[in-house]
Amino acid sequence: EVQLLESGGGLVQPGGSLRLSCAASAFTFNNYAMSWVRQAPGKGLEWVSAIGATGITTSYADSVRGRFTISRDNSENTLYLQMNSLRAEDTAVYYCAKDRGEYSFGSFDYWGPGILVTVSS
Amino acid sequence: QSALTQPASVSGSPGQAITISCTGTSSDVGDYNYVSWYQQHPGKAPKLMIYEVSNRPSGVSNRFSGSKSGNTASLTISGLQAEDEADYFCISYTRTSIPGVFGGGTRLTVL
Repeated sequence: EVQLLESGGGLVQPGGSLRLSCAASAFTFNNYAMSWVRQAPGKGLEWVSAIGATGITTSYADSVRGRFTISRDNSENTLYLQMNSLRAEDTAVYYCAKDRGEYSFGSFDYWGPGILVTVSS
Repeated sequence: QSALTQPASVSGSPGQAITISCTGTSSDVGDYNYVSWYQQHPGKAPKLMIYEVSNRPSGVSNRFSGSKSGNTASLTISGLQAEDEADYFCISYTRTSIPGVFGGGTRLTVL
């Protein structure tokens, strides 16, 4: 059974950094695009960043471009999100999501349970 | 990045059919057949219900169907059941807001 499990969340002060990880299992990781999607408390979903299957193509929402970096290690079946210069508005549950193809078009057939990131002093 | 427009809430009685709309622009919904729909129950991760406008993943009930006309995509749920009560989000690939935009979400209440 496909599994995605996020880790690395928690409480961080404004301006701080966190690195989220997503461990993937039970599918051929290097064949699929992956994304990070977040949901602020009581709010809707926001597609934060996507990375193609090979790791060459990446994309970011305007709200995080220049502060967040998505990457993947296909040898370790792990997706990452390096988050710098964190702001209060980055507070959210962050989900790791697997796309149905090698490029991301928003069709996420598997999701992790999510991990909470809280930016507060 | 402008979100796609969904009604905040819809409701229906068991057995009825409801439709949730998702309105975008010619730069997203109108230009691509990469519209997906997700169901989210409270405290849970979203679940893919429809992809590429009208395709159902394996395991999703055929009571769920999707369509598109112009800049508006729609999700129809027929034979409403209590377990369908949830939030529903649409998402479209877009050339102007990479990687893409979600709708604001629709709360479905089964009366």
